[in-house]
Amino acid sequence: KAGVTQTPRYLIKTRGQQVTLSCSPISGHRSVSWYQQTPGQGLQFLFEYFSETQRNKGNFPGRFSGRQFSNSRSEMNVSTLELGDSALYLCASRKGLAGRKDTQYFGPGTRLTVL
Amino acid sequence: GQNIDQPTEMTATEGAIVQINCTYQTSGFNGLFWYQQHAGEAPTFLSYNVLDGLEEKGRFSSFLSRSKGYSYLLLKELQMKDSASYLCAVRAYSGGGADGLTFGKGTHLIIQP
Repeated sequence: KAGVTQTPRYLIKTRGQQVTLSCSPISGHRSVSWYQQTPGQGLQFLFEYFSETQRNKGNFPGRFSGRQFSNSRSEMNVSTLELGDSALYLCASRKGLAGRKDTQYFGPGTRLTVL
Repeated sequence: GQNIDQPTEMTATEGAIVQINCTYQTSGFNGLFWYQQHAGEAPTFLSYNVLDGLEEKGRFSSFLSRSKGYSYLLLKELQMKDSASYLCAVRAYSGGGADGLTFGKGTHLIIQP
């Protein structure tokens, strides 16, 4: 079974631009979560989507947004990029079942550099 | 809110045993996860605890005490490839659906020959 895939793997943008990142979950997984990872703050939760609806949201400004499609693929968008947005953006998928042991599996991440 | 603490860095010797501690404060606790992350790679799942006690999986074991808000990851027979960051993460139930995982900042484990 294929794992979580993310595209692109690397991206360089300049301040003020916007960017869209893509994530394809493991087949059969309906929940997709996005995380930002930086050396100073570690892994921070951005948002989670399930069945095309945002289910949870972390403490990030409105410049960060996302969506999920009917095939469970997800995109996240960052508008008006700032230097501090440089980070590794990780996508994780899980089945989305109500049971507790619903493990998240991470994709390889997209390394975003803002100049 | 949630708060998770774990040591920033630890050093251990090949073949030895190391214990990585994690303490947390949260409401609506719904499980604790440990992930391993090698430099430049994605986190990979190691273990899951939701009830008190020890979960053993090969060279890796994880322990949970919900009353103390405490967990540890125990690595036995250390190998050089175990050099990585180890992330403790807590899931909390908010009532509207399970929250996303809250991660600690990770413990960078260095294995020396």
